[in-house]
Amino acid sequence: DSGVTQTPKHLITATGQRVTLRCSPRSGDLSVYWYQQSLDQGLQFLIQYYNGEERAKGNILERFSAQQFPDLHSELNLSSLELGDSALYFCASSGSGGTGNTIYFGEGSWLTVV
Amino acid sequence: KNQVEQSPQSLIILEGKNCTLQCNYTVSPFSNLRWYKQDTGRGPVSLTIMTFSENTKSNGRYTATLDADTKQSSLHITASQLSDSASYICVVSGGQAGTALIFGKGTTLSVSS
Repeated sequence: DSGVTQTPKHLITATGQRVTLRCSPRSGDLSVYWYQQSLDQGLQFLIQYYNGEERAKGNILERFSAQQFPDLHSELNLSSLELGDSALYFCASSGSGGTGNTIYFGEGSWLTVV
Repeated sequence: KNQVEQSPQSLIILEGKNCTLQCNYTVSPFSNLRWYKQDTGRGPVSLTIMTFSENTKSNGRYTATLDADTKQSSLHITASQLSDSASYICVVSGGQAGTALIFGKGTTLSVSS
């Protein structure tokens, strides 16, 4: 158990809809990352937050947005969903926003868009 | 362009055998290199993390090496077990922003009995 909690574990929704994925980082971790992993694809970095502030942005679509709240949990909002958004979405956390710390991954949220 | 290339794409070995996975990167400037193990449908789990000055790091039966001059890393698995069947992902940290994590596509290892 990495200590990173993601909900929901599985989600099925229709095209055009909007969903919110939730992540609770490891206790004490200030940095939260979001990744997308499509079938047979590598992990794609979406966005990173550190202590409530956006730290880095990757290949995140404009239809997607995220935030980190004062209690350090984070949410990833996906809107106007398309079939191609079906993927496993991972949240990860680390102790700092720097590059030297181990990054711990949650078990992911499986999103299926039908 | 910052890239991480892994080889082979997939590998099948017999239980008890050793194997070596390769990772080549073009990330600059370089900060550190990590190896992760990802079981199917699960979150990646960290195996090792190495900085520029480290050549070798071990974690049980897993040994990672790093040659920062040639920008190559390898992950050696000794006496493989069925539970080693997973995807192994090389991740390089660095780039102009300094905080970017660039992921390889992984090597899928299957250990058979």
